Amino acid sequence: SQQGEEDPQALSIQEGENATMNCSYKTSINNLQWYRQNSGRGLVHLILIRSNEREKHSGRLRVTLDTSKKSSSLLITASRAADTASYFCATDPYSSASKIIFGSGTRLSIRP
Amino acid sequence: DVKVTQSSRYLVKRTGEKVFLECVQDMDHENMFWYRQDPGLGLRLIYFSYDVKMKEKGDIPEGYSVSREKKERFSLILESASTNQTSMYLCASSPRRGPPRFGNQPQHFGDGTRLSIL
Repeated sequence: SQQGEEDPQALSIQEGENATMNCSYKTSINNLQWYRQNSGRGLVHLILIRSNEREKHSGRLRVTLDTSKKSSSLLITASRAADTASYFCATDPYSSASKIIFGSGTRLSIRP
Repeated sequence: DVKVTQSSRYLVKRTGEKVFLECVQDMDHENMFWYRQDPGLGLRLIYFSYDVKMKEKGDIPEGYSVSREKKERFSLILESASTNQTSMYLCASSPRRGPPRFGNQPQHFGDGTRLSIL
């Protein structure tokens, strides 16, 4: 079963607007990562947030983590056409040292 | 910059063939992974390796095997290809920091091989 579930599955916004994607997970984690995937390409790592962190920034990206609600959000501010991609969260559960578990992703489209 | 190179972007094979997918990374990473990606299912881990000649099964190893004879190269083998193995295959690598735990470091991905089995 999926550990991380992204919401919404698809999101379409106007260029310049902010985009927010959410990830919920089921079991306790050590870390959570966000990745981006452009169409037909591999995944690119964006941010890693540890379970003892609540918020992290990288350029126009802001990630929050609420371990009590078992959820994380990725905010992209001032979106650009180049942000069009799928975004995945990946969790590192306590119960398994051997893998991270990817969600099924949010497809983000930026309209010009 | 880490570079993970997968030998083919697109591959078409026939049912029953033995298929080899190759992956090479240039950053001396200890850990390497093979995933398959299907619409609506996200990424599913097939096999991983945390050292040369070491391999561990992931979530969906059936019908696959792997080989890691050198640190930089991790090969995925479809022993007898079937149509339900048509998919996008992604290779990734990551460094090991401390005990083998794969979630505390970013994974670096290749561009994928889109494999069609006819």
